[in-house]
Amino acid sequence: DAGITQSPRYKITETGRQVTLMCHQTWSHSYMFWYRQDLGHGLRLIYYSAAADITDKGEVPDGYVVSRSKTENFPLTLESATRSQTSVYFCASSESGGARGSPLHFGNGTRLTVT
Amino acid sequence: AQSVTQLDSQVPVFEEAPVELRCNYSSSVSVYLFWYVQYPNQGLQLLLKYLSGSTLVESINGFEAEFNKSQTSFHLRKPSVHISDTAEYFCAVTSPYSGGGADGLTFGKGTHLIIQP
Repeated sequence: DAGITQSPRYKITETGRQVTLMCHQTWSHSYMFWYRQDLGHGLRLIYYSAAADITDKGEVPDGYVVSRSKTENFPLTLESATRSQTSVYFCASSESGGARGSPLHFGNGTRLTVT
Repeated sequence: AQSVTQLDSQVPVFEEAPVELRCNYSSSVSVYLFWYVQYPNQGLQLLLKYLSGSTLVESINGFEAEFNKSQTSFHLRKPSVHISDTAEYFCAVTSPYSGGGADGLTFGKGTHLIIQP
């Protein structure tokens, strides 16, 4: 099925552990994004990518690492998870980036709990 | 820099009543405006967008929004809501002159629309 899929849907991990959230899209969109959603903060951009091998920081990048070796995949890694990283994480893709009016297409999210 | 303000974090309304969700933006240049909807346990979906042309834009499920440049607003309205409209609604703004990445797309903090039977 065409679309954008995130895995896992739910994840519980311990403080200090490394965890990777996966994101895969089938549209061959150039742009991909990672957001976190927290009560009172709305959506905050963590990282984004304009194309394979091109990534850039968003509003809240500290503690996160991304890579994009293939156009369709954009994994997000928490190198050493902290409780403040407990959140719902959304991956999104876009044909040409928000600035050109292309809408974002979101996955269903990963709910991450760090204990 | 641009910003989006959604003044109401929650809007309760009775079924079949009209509703307006407010969105104001701040930008020194021309803008593109979006409304996204998030149903429980799902990601955001595009509801409607304004890029240019007619200032009144409509969605397929009865919502409409009007771009008002003088008031820097893009309020979302529906004349008669249904229980299925219960969701979180996000307003977002970007500019044709932004860098081309997501740093040009700014979201509001969302408004939770609660439909009461």
